[in-house]
Amino acid sequence: AQTVTQSQPEMSVQEAETVTLSCTYDTSESDYYLFWYKQPPSRQMILVIRQEAYKQQNATENRFSVNFQKAAKSFSLKISDSQLGDAAMYFCAYRSARNTDKLIFGTGTRLQVFP
Amino acid sequence: GAGVSQSPSNKVTEKGKDVELRCDPISGHTALYWYRQSLGQGLEFLIYFQGNSAPDKSGLPSDRFSAERTGGSVSTLTIQRTQQEDSAVYLCASSWGTGTRGPQHFGDGTRLSIL
Repeated sequence: AQTVTQSQPEMSVQEAETVTLSCTYDTSESDYYLFWYKQPPSRQMILVIRQEAYKQQNATENRFSVNFQKAAKSFSLKISDSQLGDAAMYFCAYRSARNTDKLIFGTGTRLQVFP
Repeated sequence: GAGVSQSPSNKVTEKGKDVELRCDPISGHTALYWYRQSLGQGLEFLIYFQGNSAPDKSGLPSDRFSAERTGGSVSTLTIQRTQQEDSAVYLCASSWGTGTRGPQHFGDGTRLSIL
């Protein structure tokens, strides 16, 4: 079975600085998708960025980018120029390309942003 | 509506009662998912509906949990004889396809509290 591990329960960053959130996963599959979701206090899960495992190029979305290391099964999220609105819970998630599209989530990292 | 709609937003009930949680997916989305998020935890997959296919119920924790999706649209998650460990936020998501063509869009969830 696939698992997702986020080893940082909490992280903090100064406004305008850069922070990296860690995520590792375990799978025997070669084709899959990886995601980072943001969950503010409103509870809604918001998709931040996604990566297809067959793509070597790291995904980027404005201030958000990932460092995808397939061999190491690592998928970290880098937030550049952090803003107060980035404060939230961040969840890393895995989805197999083969079977049902359920997402397997890590336990999350709470990000605090200080002015 | 524009997004996934869930009702009620909050539900408080006594142990042993039955509860029904509703999810109205984004119009046109063929896939619908239910997840459970216990306090301080990541999301746990419960059940997945895709079109007219048989649902994937592999995540339902016990036979007290059931879900249906009528007419390929609205879904209801039912918990019978609720227990205190059922207290959690129940999140619904929908997508229009599979793979990365269909990222999952989440609702705001229902916070269920069992007294």
